[in-house]
Amino acid sequence: DAGITQSPRHKVTETGTPVTLRCHQTENHRYMYWYRQDPGHGLRLIHYSYGVKDTDKGEVSDGYSVSRSKTEDFLLTLESATSSQTSVYFCATQGGVEETQYFGPGTRLLVL
Amino acid sequence: KQEVTQIPAALSVPEGENLVLNCSFTDSAIYNLQWFRQDPGKGLTSLLLIQSSQREQTSGRLNASLDKSSGRSTLYIAASQPGDSATYLCAVLTGTASKLTFGTGTRLQVTL
Repeated sequence: DAGITQSPRHKVTETGTPVTLRCHQTENHRYMYWYRQDPGHGLRLIHYSYGVKDTDKGEVSDGYSVSRSKTEDFLLTLESATSSQTSVYFCATQGGVEETQYFGPGTRLLVL
Repeated sequence: KQEVTQIPAALSVPEGENLVLNCSFTDSAIYNLQWFRQDPGKGLTSLLLIQSSQREQTSGRLNASLDKSSGRSTLYIAASQPGDSATYLCAVLTGTASKLTFGTGTRLQVTL
């Protein structure tokens, strides 16, 4: 795997509060991604990055923002958390000759 | 918009049986196709990756095939074991910004 860590691994927060999730990689991969996984919807792309300070939206980006100031770190921020953002969030990187995607262990977020 | 479908959604087989999981996608302009495994409460682990120019890939008891023109892939698991019990996800990588589109998975249970 690509040495991907996510923090925190679990978080409970209240509606309306901002939340930041962190993804850290050690393989110097160019591409990084944030997904959410929900029953019945599978994995859906929130935002992705194709380099430092280069980011773009995925299919479910509303209510989320991202930042990438270093190759190894990709932050996902929920600007004002809502109950619909309760989910499991996965970070991924893409690299290697075959452009394989590697996933982190996930963050379970509960918004009350 | 790329759509990925996996059939069946769930499958239960006795140990030792050979089995096939199916994946179909709507847009054949893919860069590669990946099969992942996800254990409950865990992240995704890449099993096999097939480039768009390839027809199949093998790893141990796993064999994945790709028919890009018909938009289909299969994952063949030989001599299934209880340790194979997990959810198997298919994902296709499109050329635009290297975005993966996932199916909703097949939940496999291998019984003793």
